[in-house]
Amino acid sequence: EIVLTQSPGTLSSSPGERATLSCRASQSVKNSYLAWYQHKPGQAPRLLIYGASTRAAGIPDRFSGSGSGTDFTLTVSRLAPEDFALYYCQVYDNSRWTFGQGTKVEIK
Amino acid sequence: QAQLAESGGGVVQPGRSLRLSCAASGFTFSSFAMHWVRQAPGKGLEWVAVVWYDGSKKYYADSVRGRFTISRDNSQKTLYLQMNSLRDEDTAVYYCARLSEYSTLYDTYYYLDVWGIGTTVTVSS
Repeated sequence: EIVLTQSPGTLSSSPGERATLSCRASQSVKNSYLAWYQHKPGQAPRLLIYGASTRAAGIPDRFSGSGSGTDFTLTVSRLAPEDFALYYCQVYDNSRWTFGQGTKVEIK
Repeated sequence: QAQLAESGGGVVQPGRSLRLSCAASGFTFSSFAMHWVRQAPGKGLEWVAVVWYDGSKKYYADSVRGRFTISRDNSQKTLYLQMNSLRDEDTAVYYCARLSEYSTLYDTYYYLDVWGIGTTVTVSS
């Protein structure tokens, strides 16, 4: 079973700053099986990135994904006020879907 | 526009049962595998179960296997989650989500691209 570990647990940043979120897998995963989601309280989770680096439809280009093997990164180039939320990485492996524990991006 | 709407949540005593529903609209429901994902209070997202587009395959998280059953009615465009022997730790917001699959010559991509806003299940005596 793959375990995803996200870091940091909480990231305190200001609007306009760059945010870098990490997702580390306990074993190598296929890039095509790695996705990132944004989640705000009371709302449906939102797909941001799939295939480790492909932005989903309608996602602003300030969001980007990178990485391979066991180390993946979600970068927000310039935080907008609406970007303060929880972020999760997620992987598919052997008929199981696993989420990381999440990173909270909060306003400093 | 693809949409999902969960219902059926509520307060239930430990050991009892509850059935959640997820109504789909705006897309060809019978062409997509569907998932249940939950979020317990103060915790992150946890994958619960998946059912293939035609109901032929079903997979579960270890935490619910043997107690929960995922199913679907493609004629009604509805996904279900039958939850039996409920425990305190099943208290959560339950989301349904659509699995999209995209294949190229070299690879297959899986991602959850449509989500509902969730229904709350509280297990408490």
